[in-house]
Amino acid sequence: GAVVSQHPSRVICKSGTSVKIECRSLDFQATTMFWYRQFPKQSLMLMATSNEGSKATYEQGVEKDKFLINHASLTLSTLTVTSAHPEDSSFYICSARDFQGREQYFGPGTRLTVT
Amino acid sequence: QKEVEQNSGPLSVPEGAIASLNCTYSDRGSQSFFWYRQYSGKSPELIMSIYSNGDKEDGRFTAQLNKASQYVSLLIRDSQPSDSATYLCAVNLGGDGANNLFFGTGTRLTVIP
Repeated sequence: GAVVSQHPSRVICKSGTSVKIECRSLDFQATTMFWYRQFPKQSLMLMATSNEGSKATYEQGVEKDKFLINHASLTLSTLTVTSAHPEDSSFYICSARDFQGREQYFGPGTRLTVT
Repeated sequence: QKEVEQNSGPLSVPEGAIASLNCTYSDRGSQSFFWYRQYSGKSPELIMSIYSNGDKEDGRFTAQLNKASQYVSLLIRDSQPSDSATYLCAVNLGGDGANNLFFGTGTRLTVIP
């Protein structure tokens, strides 16, 4: 099956710093990657959709200058949380889809804690 | 009206029983339907996809789709304690492809040994 990895799995940072999360498709080329956020006991919330080589499309209410997304290759997308604040603490999950597939495969997630 | 609705549960079934999870969706034009399993603290894992009306079976799992009723369900036969998790229904609203994938809030299933 399709495998998606994320790094780091867990990160703790101080308020005001930036954190970069990597998402990689290991055994397929991901033309589209998705970034989600999940707060405790809530469902997934789509933050943005990125296609390789183009700018990400952000969902309403998601600040594009705060959550920088780069999808520079067919196997790698990065999410950078800039000037993180405690309210950004959450579980960030990426998913990926190849250009033929209709299914999304999720990475294992990154738990971000901002102190 | 929410795009994808699920009974939040919790749903408890005894070990060995059939667990039935239900989901309704709002967009009649939807073409792709998915069930994900999410263990506490983990990311979702795709367990079933279905695109045509009727039943699709994979091991102990059966997905059922009724586009006329805008209804998709997941049956888990011979439920095991390891099936205890939150099950997320996801629907591609408004067309094919996995873009615009909307998730329900999930149904928490507990299988009692």
